[in-house]
Amino acid sequence: AQTVTQSQPEMSVQEAETVTLSCTYDTSESDYYLFWYKQPPSRQMILVIRQEAYKQQNATENRFSVNFQKAAKSFSLKISDSQLGDAAMYFCAYTGNQFYFGTGTSLTVIP
Amino acid sequence: GAVVSQHPSWVICKSGTSVKIECRSLDFQATTMFWYRQFPKQSLMLMATSNEGSKATYEQGVEKDKFLINHASLTLSTLTVTSAHPEDSSFYICSARVGKRMAQYFGPGTRLLVL
Repeated sequence: AQTVTQSQPEMSVQEAETVTLSCTYDTSESDYYLFWYKQPPSRQMILVIRQEAYKQQNATENRFSVNFQKAAKSFSLKISDSQLGDAAMYFCAYTGNQFYFGTGTSLTVIP
Repeated sequence: GAVVSQHPSWVICKSGTSVKIECRSLDFQATTMFWYRQFPKQSLMLMATSNEGSKATYEQGVEKDKFLINHASLTLSTLTVTSAHPEDSSFYICSARVGKRMAQYFGPGTRLLVL
């Protein structure tokens, strides 16, 4: 069965610094997508970044980038130049035949 | 693009009454819509998956007679909590996607409080 694991329940980062959130997944499928979602205190889930498994190039969206290691089944999120507005729960997600969420990482940004 | 609305955002009701929550994809047609429940500081718990014109597929442990889902069109799905009880109080979130393996886009959620 597919699973998504986020091993860091909480993380903190100084404003303007860089932080990396970890995610690993388990699957036997070859065709799948991976996502990072952000859930701020408003609780609105926001898509941050997506990665197609067939693409070797790591996805980037402004200050957000991923390190996709397909063989290791790892999909970490790097946030550069952290801002106060980045404080939120971050969920890693997998979609193949089914959709799975990780348990989330709570990110605190310290001014 | 990819905006999903959810209404109402807040609802308080008396025990025993029914509550309907609407989920709409505003600028795209959603082949599939999902309903989640989220408890404080926890991940999303999938309740059911619905495809337009088909019966919803419920996750194990979710009472289909209590949580009625209707997906009448490619842009609208509704969740009705029937005979609500205080233990049904929660945050309910819908999402929609265009195709399999595509991203899900989420509504802003509905906070339900049953007194």
